[in-house]
Amino acid sequence: KAGVTQTPRYLIKTRGQQVTLSCSPISGHRSVSWYQQTPGQGLQFLFEYFSETQRNKGNFPGRFSGRQFSNSRSEMNVSTLELGDSALYLCASPEGAVYGYTFGSGTRLTVV
Amino acid sequence: AQSVTQLGSHVSVSEGALVLLRCNYSSSVPPYLFWYVQYPNQGLQLLLKYTSAATLVKGINGFEAEFKKSETSFHLTKPSAHMSDAAEYFCAVRGSNYKLTFGKGTLLTVNP
Repeated sequence: KAGVTQTPRYLIKTRGQQVTLSCSPISGHRSVSWYQQTPGQGLQFLFEYFSETQRNKGNFPGRFSGRQFSNSRSEMNVSTLELGDSALYLCASPEGAVYGYTFGSGTRLTVV
Repeated sequence: AQSVTQLGSHVSVSEGALVLLRCNYSSSVPPYLFWYVQYPNQGLQLLLKYTSAATLVKGINGFEAEFKKSETSFHLTKPSAHMSDAAEYFCAVRGSNYKLTFGKGTLLTVNP
């Protein structure tokens, strides 16, 4: 079965711009979670969507938002980019009944 | 609330030596525990997971971990390190809200 697909793999944006990242979960899975990974803060939970509804949200400013479509694909948007938003953004899809999440390869965002 | 502490941000072993990566957790509910590995410029790959079925959990690539409730620990071991094991390892706990909380990670170096 196909894994978790994230696009694009790399992005370079300028401060103040906005960016949209995409994630397609494992086929048939209705839940998608997003995480931010930085050298300083490590891996931090952004939000989780289940059947197009946000089920959980992490402690990030409102500039970070997301949505999920009826085909379970998810997008996350970051507006008014700051240098500190440079990170690897990972998308995860639960695996099996006990949620050993499968992660995508991530999108590396660089803000300059 | 859940938390994870990984003792040692960097562990260095010789090829063929025992690998021991330490993880202690805190959880307000019976935990699901996971170990993930991350190679450079890649996402997270699930090594193994504890789901209360057995305290000694075997994973991929010869890794295993033992859940010790009394010590709130879930240490990762491998009897004999290979060069290909060099990577960063993350311990994670999943609470009742489906969110994964990660430790800061341990970078494993394997010396020839």
